[in-house]
Order: sequence, then C-alpha cells, then structure tokens
Amino acid sequence: TQLLEQSPQFLSIQEGENLTVYCNSSSVFSSLQWYRQEPGEGPVLLVTVVTGGEVKKLKRLTFQFGDARKDSSLHITAAQPGDTGLYLCAGEVTSGSARQLTFGSGTQLTVLP
Amino acid sequence: DAGITQSPRHKVTETGTPVTLRCHQTENHRYMYWYRQDPGHGLRLIHYSYGVKDTDKGEVSDGYSVSRSKTEDFLLTLESATSSQTSVYFCAISARFGNTGELFFGEGSRLTVL
Repeated sequence: TQLLEQSPQFLSIQEGENLTVYCNSSSVFSSLQWYRQEPGEGPVLLVTVVTGGEVKKLKRLTFQFGDARKDSSLHITAAQPGDTGLYLCAGEVTSGSARQLTFGSGTQLTVLP
Repeated sequence: DAGITQSPRHKVTETGTPVTLRCHQTENHRYMYWYRQDPGHGLRLIHYSYGVKDTDKGEVSDGYSVSRSKTEDFLLTLESATSSQTSVYFCAISARFGNTGELFFGEGSRLTVL
C-alpha cells in the first residue's frame, strides 16, 4: 500500500500550458519534500514544506502544503520543455521514536515544444 | 554536485549469484541510504545507515544486507539474487535524517537478474 498517492501518474502537455500535480495521503506528515528526476539521474530536491498551509514559490513552480499536512500540490505556470521529468513527493512520518521518509510513485511530466 | 559515486552503474547477473553494489561519498555526511526504484512504486527504502557500523532496515529489506565500515562507503549486498530484485538502485546521503535534511542521490545502478 502506497502511503503517498501521486496524481496524475502521467501528464503530457504543450509548452506554455499550466499544470498541477497532487500528492495525497491519509497520514499526517511533519514535513514534505518535492524532488525532480531526469532520465538516467538521481532525484534532485526542489523544495521542503513544513508548516500546514505553507506556500513556496520557485520561479514558475508553486508548492503548497495542505492545512492538515496530509497533502501537497505542485503547480507549474507556463510549462517549458525543460520542466520535463519525474516529479516525486516525499513525506516524513514519525512513529514513536522512529522517523521514516517515504516517497510517492511519481508523476511523469512531458512538456512538448 | 554532491560527491556520490555508485558502482557498478550497470550489472547483469544470473539468479542465485551474489551481488554487491557500492556507494562512495566524499561529503562526510552521517546518513546514507539505499533505495530501489521500480515503475509504479517510486523510491522504496531498503536499508539506511546513521553512522559507521550503525544500520537499520527500511520497508523492503528482505533479501538485502548492508555494511558500513567507513563513513564514506555503504555497501548493499544481495546474497542470492532473484529476478524480483531487478531494479534501479539509488544511493543517497544526507547531513540530517528525514525531511529536515536534503537527500543527495547518486546516479543509480541498474541491476538485471536473469
């Protein structure tokens, strides 16, 4: 059972369009990260959100952490071919004294020129 | 780029053979991790280390063992490889554990078990 559900799994859009990808869970996360992965490479961190309701902007990318800290979204404005990649969310869950980082299954984004 | 080197980058082996993947870091980070990545499953944690000779299991640790005899090296061993262990394996490092620290990933090791 995937602790973090990402949607959509695949997304193909034209350059200039806007898009939103979602990361949802029934668990409460102490914080959440978004990574981007290009073919043949490891994921690279984009952002960490910690506070419920937090919004962070990174150029054309806007990240939001849900008020209840169970979900997050990534919105890209005016997508460009360079945005193509696999977007992964990762949430930290604390169970007793144990902390574990779990990843979603990812959203594969293709931006066509 | 974070100094993380994985070896080998590609390996094809047969069922039942032992396989060792190596992760080497030059960042002196305390935490090291091994993940596997499969279509539809994202990244799943196999084992992690929080110091020399200190390791713990992740969510998919069955069939895998790890060792960390030096800060810079973290080895992942498949004692007897099975076809279900065909995957891309990523090593990661961090200065702090979990979301409080950024994970830096290696370029991955693609393993095919025939």
